[in-house]
This record gives sequence, structure tokens and C-alpha cells, in this order.
Amino acid sequence: EPEVTQTPSHQVTQMGQEVILRCVPISNHLYFYWYRQILGQKVEFLVSFYNNEISEKSEIFDDQFSVERPDGSNFTLKIRSTKLEDSAMYFCASSEAPTGGYTFGSGTRLTVV
Amino acid sequence: QKEVEQDPGPLSVPEGAIVSLNCTYSNSAFQYFMWYRQYSRKGPELLMYTYSSGNKEDGRFTAQVDKSSKYISLFIRDSQPSDSATYLCAMKAGTASKLTFGTGTRLQVTL
Repeated sequence: EPEVTQTPSHQVTQMGQEVILRCVPISNHLYFYWYRQILGQKVEFLVSFYNNEISEKSEIFDDQFSVERPDGSNFTLKIRSTKLEDSAMYFCASSEAPTGGYTFGSGTRLTVV
Repeated sequence: QKEVEQDPGPLSVPEGAIVSLNCTYSNSAFQYFMWYRQYSRKGPELLMYTYSSGNKEDGRFTAQVDKSSKYISLFIRDSQPSDSATYLCAMKAGTASKLTFGTGTRLQVTL
């Protein structure tokens, strides 16, 4: 069964450093998303991306965050100048259409120290 | 009032029991409703997807949506220990791409 692949599975970074989280969505999917889940809390929407541009973003997704589809297969989330409160599981998801079910990856656990 | 409310549990049932999981919501714009299963430190796995009101069945799983009451349910028949996980409801408005999740219900199926 096709799956969304995320790397790395776990990243530890120092406060103030930049991190890039990588995702390979399902190949025929056109809509891409990033969500995060702080330990013990609910899954929260960050951003959606379609046709090489952001289609929707949450209030969490401020200037510290950016997304990019650098080639035909990868979808990245960059966090500039990480803060302690950015520590969370970050999930990438993709879908064929915005009205379809979303397939999530296994996540990247980001720990900011 | 929270946009999506879900009893966090934990819910413990014996193997073979019928499980009922529920969510209520306040946003009348929600039209698409999903149930995800999440194992510890893993990504959400899509179980059921429904549009608007009605029932949908897939194997041991049945999803129900009652838009008039703003209430959705997931029923699991003949529950198995492998069903032990956190179950998340999620929903979205027709024009939006953002999914709004419940907090999840932790289910434990015991032998």
C-alpha cells in the first residue's frame, strides 16, 4: 500500500538552530499538509500546499516556518531559529483531492534542547 | 465551547465487545468526517471517511454521522487486542483543507 515517508524519524536540535523536516508524499497525490502534535495534546494543522503554493495556514505557522516542494517528490518543512516549544511530533500528510481522506506519515519527533 | 470534543478515556473493554467512540462538534460548516487510529508514537492511520450525514460500514467498523445533532460515532464490532490504540475523530469544512482533530480516545481491549 502506498505510504507517506518522513525523514528523519527523530531529530534533536539546539535552540536557535534551523531544522528541515522532509517528506515524500504518495506519488499521485497533489495536496500536501503539515501537522504537529505536542506530547499529550491533539493533532494541530500547520499548513496545506497545492500547486506549488500555500493554500491555507494556521496561526501557528508564522514567519518562523516555511514549506517547499524542491523537486517532484519531496515536500519539506523548515523551522528557522527553533524554540523549546517547537518540540513535537511533526506529521506530513497528502491527499489526491482536498475532499478525500488524508494519508499521514509516521512523523518526525523534533526535540529542541 | 471547543470546536471538537472527544472523551479522552481511557476506555477498557474485553475482547469481543462492541466499542462505541464518539465526538461532538460545534462548527456547522463541517461536512467531511474521518476516524483515525493512532498507535503510540506513530502517525494517524485513516480508518473511515464519510461525507455529510449517514452510516458507512467497513468490515468490523461502522461510522455514523448525525449533522442535526453535530455528533459522530465509530463502532467497532468483535473488538480485538490489536484494536488497542488511540482513536481520533477529525473533520473539515467543504471549502477548507484544514482538518480539525479531537483529542483522541484511548482504547484498551483486554484478553
